[in-house]
Amino acid sequence: EPEVTQTPSHQVTQMGQEVILRCVPISNHLYFYWYRQILGQKVEFLVSFYNNEISEKSEIFDDQFSVERPDGSNFTLKIRSTKLEDSAMYFCASNSILGQTGTEAFFGQGTRLTVV
Amino acid sequence: AQKVTQAQTEISVVEKEDVTLDCVYETRDTTYYLFWYKQPPSGELVFLIRRNSFDEQNEISGRYSWNFQKSTSSFNFTITASQVVDSAVYFCALSDLNNAGNMLTFGGGTRLMVKP
Repeated sequence: EPEVTQTPSHQVTQMGQEVILRCVPISNHLYFYWYRQILGQKVEFLVSFYNNEISEKSEIFDDQFSVERPDGSNFTLKIRSTKLEDSAMYFCASNSILGQTGTEAFFGQGTRLTVV
Repeated sequence: AQKVTQAQTEISVVEKEDVTLDCVYETRDTTYYLFWYKQPPSGELVFLIRRNSFDEQNEISGRYSWNFQKSTSSFNFTITASQVVDSAVYFCALSDLNNAGNMLTFGGGTRLMVKP
């Protein structure tokens, strides 16, 4: 069964460093997402991406964040200068073939980012 | 703005008991979609069900059942004869047409602990 894969599963970085989280969405999906879950809290939407551009972003997704689909298969989230409060589980997700409203998003297993 | 509330932060039951997880949502849209996801201790998000706003028929899948009540804006999830493997955090989520990116708004989650 196709799945969303994320690497690495766990990343530790020093405050102020740049970090790139990587995702390979399901191959025939067209909508891609990043969500964040601070430990013990709810899952929060960061950004959605369609047709090589951001379609929607939340207040959390400030200038420190960027997304890219560099090669047609990978989907990356970059945090330019990490802060302690960026420590969280980051989930990548992708949505079905035509990105139809209401279809379920399939999530990757997450990348746990720890900023020290 | 859309909002999902899961008032029960934590529920503890003994194996074989039935348990109902509550979900109440708010949206201005008349067309919307509701979801349940399971997050086991390993951390990934597992899709359980999608329901659109026009379909109020209750659904049963094995030991799982869902009760969608549009009149009370609720989408409750019942596990019958709970098992230890059901122990997880369960998230209710909403997607409506007011957002271009099909983003999900999650509730705060309910941690279910099933004791042997």
